Amino acid sequence: DAKTTQPPSMDCAEGRAANLPCNHSTISGNEYVYWYRQIHSQGPQYIIHGLKNNETNEMASLIITEDRKSSTLILPHATLRDTAVYYCIVRSRRTGANNLFFGTGTRLTVIP
Amino acid sequence: GAVVSQHPSRVICKSGTSVKIECRSLDFQATTMFWYRQFPKQSLMLMATSNEGSKATYEQGVEKDKFLINHASLTLSTLTVTSAHPEDSSFYICSAWDSSGGYTFGSGTRLTVV
Repeated sequence: DAKTTQPPSMDCAEGRAANLPCNHSTISGNEYVYWYRQIHSQGPQYIIHGLKNNETNEMASLIITEDRKSSTLILPHATLRDTAVYYCIVRSRRTGANNLFFGTGTRLTVIP
Repeated sequence: GAVVSQHPSRVICKSGTSVKIECRSLDFQATTMFWYRQFPKQSLMLMATSNEGSKATYEQGVEKDKFLINHASLTLSTLTVTSAHPEDSSFYICSAWDSSGGYTFGSGTRLTVV
């Protein structure tokens, strides 16, 4: 699975959009981009995933560049409860049950 | 959505004793489960992968005789930390994979060995 690069930390004002970038320049054609987050002392929580097209759900939006070498997770109106470590993970859905490799992620702090 | 129940959420044990952590998939069958360990301010590190009815596959550096994993059914996997020592104190997290390709994580177990 392709590796990802994320900034170690970011701050965002409460109520504003949080844009979390992720580079995955070695992504291959059948690999999806997944985003998870981990609130302190809890297990990771699935947020969203995508292959090529931009995706949106009740939690966030995922913007994937045309060349698929990077993506951005957008939390449209950040709240204090969105403070967490956000992980961008790239993997293929066709390889069965393989481990999700967690990099260092981005620690997002939402500021009141 | 899929739910994975992990128990206990927090446990304190004496050095030399064993601790069992349970991970249950509540509304789906998990053919594969993963066990992770997370030290403070670090990312999740995979310890082992367990498939129902077969022996677990351990990552390099993880002692299989110390971290016993049992995956006897499609809804239950257990991790037993045997002869625990203070250096085993950590946050342990399980994850279940379902056939649709989704991963669901337990809420984690904070183990403190005193």
